[in-house]
Amino acid sequence: DQQVKQNSPSLSVQEGRISILNCDYTNSMFDYFLWYKKYPAEGPTFLISISSIKDKNEDGRFTVFLNKSAKHLSLHIVPSQPGDSAVYFCAAMEGGNTPLVFGKGTRLSVIA
Amino acid sequence: GAVVSQHPSRVICKSGTSVKIECRSLDFQATTMFWYRQFPKKSLMLMATSNEGSKATYEQGVEKDKFLINHASLTLSTLTVTSAHPEDSSFYICSAIDAGVVGNEQFFGPGTRLTVL
Repeated sequence: DQQVKQNSPSLSVQEGRISILNCDYTNSMFDYFLWYKKYPAEGPTFLISISSIKDKNEDGRFTVFLNKSAKHLSLHIVPSQPGDSAVYFCAAMEGGNTPLVFGKGTRLSVIA
Repeated sequence: GAVVSQHPSRVICKSGTSVKIECRSLDFQATTMFWYRQFPKKSLMLMATSNEGSKATYEQGVEKDKFLINHASLTLSTLTVTSAHPEDSSFYICSAIDAGVVGNEQFFGPGTRLTVL
C-alpha cells in the first residue's frame, strides 16, 4: 500500500507559467514533508520542505503548501523555467532519523 | 549543504560476482545512513537502514545475505551486492543524516548505476 502518492506521472507546462505538482499521503504519523528534484542517473537533490506545524513554506520560485486535513501537499513553481524539467519526488517522514517514504515521482517538462 | 559521495558511480560486472558500493559523508558525521534502490519508472525504494556500529535493519523483501551492509565508521557505509544477477541491475542511492544538526533533511549521494551482465 503506497503511503505517498503522486497521481500524475507527468506534467507539461509552458515556460513562465506556474507548475503545480501534487502529492497525497495516507500515514497520519508523517510530520515532515520534502520535495526532491531528480535528473536521470543522479541522486535526488533537495528542493524544499515543510513541517506539519506549517501550511506553507516559500523559497524563491518554490512554494510548498500542506493541507493536513486532506493529507495533501503541493509544490508550486513560478515562473517555470526549462531548467526545471526533471522528475520531482514528494517524500515524507515520521520524524528525525527515519527513512523517507517517496512517491513515484512526477516528470515535469517545461516547454520554451 | 552537506556532501555525500558514492563510489563507484557506475559499475558493470559479470553475473555471479560481488560488487561493493561505498557511501561517504564528506564533511559531516552520519550515525545513520539509508540505502535506496530505484527501479525503472518506479519510486526510490528503501532497502535498509545502516547504523554505525550495529547491524543494518533491512526492509521486508530485501535479502540481507545478498545485500550486505557495513557501517564501520561515522563517515562510511558500504553496500555489497553478493553473487550479482542481471535482475540486480539498478540505480543504488545512499543518503545520510548529519548527526550534528537537528533537522530532518537527508543528504543524498549521486547514486551508483550497477549493470550485471
